[in-house]
This record gives sequence, structure tokens and C-alpha cells, in this order.
Amino acid sequence: ETGVTQSPTHLIKTRGQQVTLRCSSQSGHNTVSWYQQALGQGPQFIFQYYREEENGRGNFPPRFSGLQFPNYSSELNVNALELDDSALYLCASSFGGTGNSPLHFGNGTRLTVT
Amino acid sequence: DQQVKQNSPSLSVQEGRISILNCDYTNSMFDYFLWYKKYPAEGPTFLISISSIKDKNEDGRFTVFLNKSAKHLSLHIVPSQPGDSAVYFCAASANTGTASKLTFGTGTRLQVTL
Repeated sequence: ETGVTQSPTHLIKTRGQQVTLRCSSQSGHNTVSWYQQALGQGPQFIFQYYREEENGRGNFPPRFSGLQFPNYSSELNVNALELDDSALYLCASSFGGTGNSPLHFGNGTRLTVT
Repeated sequence: DQQVKQNSPSLSVQEGRISILNCDYTNSMFDYFLWYKKYPAEGPTFLISISSIKDKNEDGRFTVFLNKSAKHLSLHIVPSQPGDSAVYFCAASANTGTASKLTFGTGTRLQVTL
């Protein structure tokens, strides 16, 4: 069974730039969620994709957007990067777009905005 | 507004003893609770969960207790082992029929000493 994989592992960008982070979900999972973890904080929900559509969003501005592909992999795009966007970005997959089920996380992408 | 709180940033326990990690929540809509363990440079790993219809769930050395009236849950690890040293996150979700969004606490760093 293949777990959740994320790329790249580390990234350094300049304020104002755009970034794309990638995630391959665990085999058998059809739902992908993205979380942002700032230093010293718990992960915060950005959004979730199910059947290639966004089906839930946290308190993040529209410059955070995503995609889910037919093979259930996903991208997180962030436009007009700000210094506060520096964080660990975690992708998680699960089965089923609703209800309660454990999320399985990847190791994250560490984004630094300078 | 912190809906899930872990008031102890750190905890040190001797090997073989019991570790008790605590978590409080404020949102009465939460009906599913999870504990995740996180090692440095890795994503959170699912440990154990409990539904609001139960007050206890056990899995090997790990037991989670839920007190709904107090809006409090705890994770017991018995016996504690050095490999348990990690950051533990409490998380909660509400089954709203849409995205399975997890709300995390800020984590408790557990150090198991020899």
C-alpha cells in the first residue's frame, strides 16, 4: 500500500511569487485535504477535494486554490505569496468525501517565503 | 478562537510509567475525536479515535477517554516507551455532511526518559 507522498519537500520563494505543491493520495483513497501548519501551531484546514471538486474550505483567502485530478492526486496553488505563508503544508487523504474517518498525512512541504 | 485546546505544551514521563495527555474542546458539534503523533520531519500519524457515542476506546498501549459533559478527552499510554517521544495532537471533527474537516490543538510534546 502506497502512502501519501508530497513534493517538493522544501521550497524557498520570494514574496509576491506563486507556488504549486503536489500530492499523491494513498492508494484506495478518493479524497484529499490540505492543511497549513505554522511553527508552534496545530495544522489548520485549508480545503478538501472530493471527486475533483472542492467540497469544503477553511478560513483561507482565494489566493489559495487547488485541483484534484482523475487519479485523485492534487495540487495546492498559492498566489501572491506573503511572508506569513511560510509554513509546513500537509496533504492528507481519506476515503469518502463526508463523514468521520481518519486522515492519512504525507510528510509535508516546508515553504519559506522571504 | 481556539476550539480545541491542549494546555500542556510539554510532558516528561519515565519509561514504563503512564503518560496522560489532555485535550479540551468548546464546540458541542464535535462528534469525532482523534489523536495523532508527529515526529520531526514527518507528517502526523493517526493513533486512535473515538466517536461521541462512546466514552472509551482502547488499542494496545493506547486508550482514549471522552467526557462529553466536560468537553474533555485524554490519551493514556501505558507503559510509556522511549519511541513514544513525539508531539501529540488532539483533533476533532463535526459530521456536517460535507467535508471531513479536522480542527487540531496546538500539540503536546511528550518526552519519555530512561
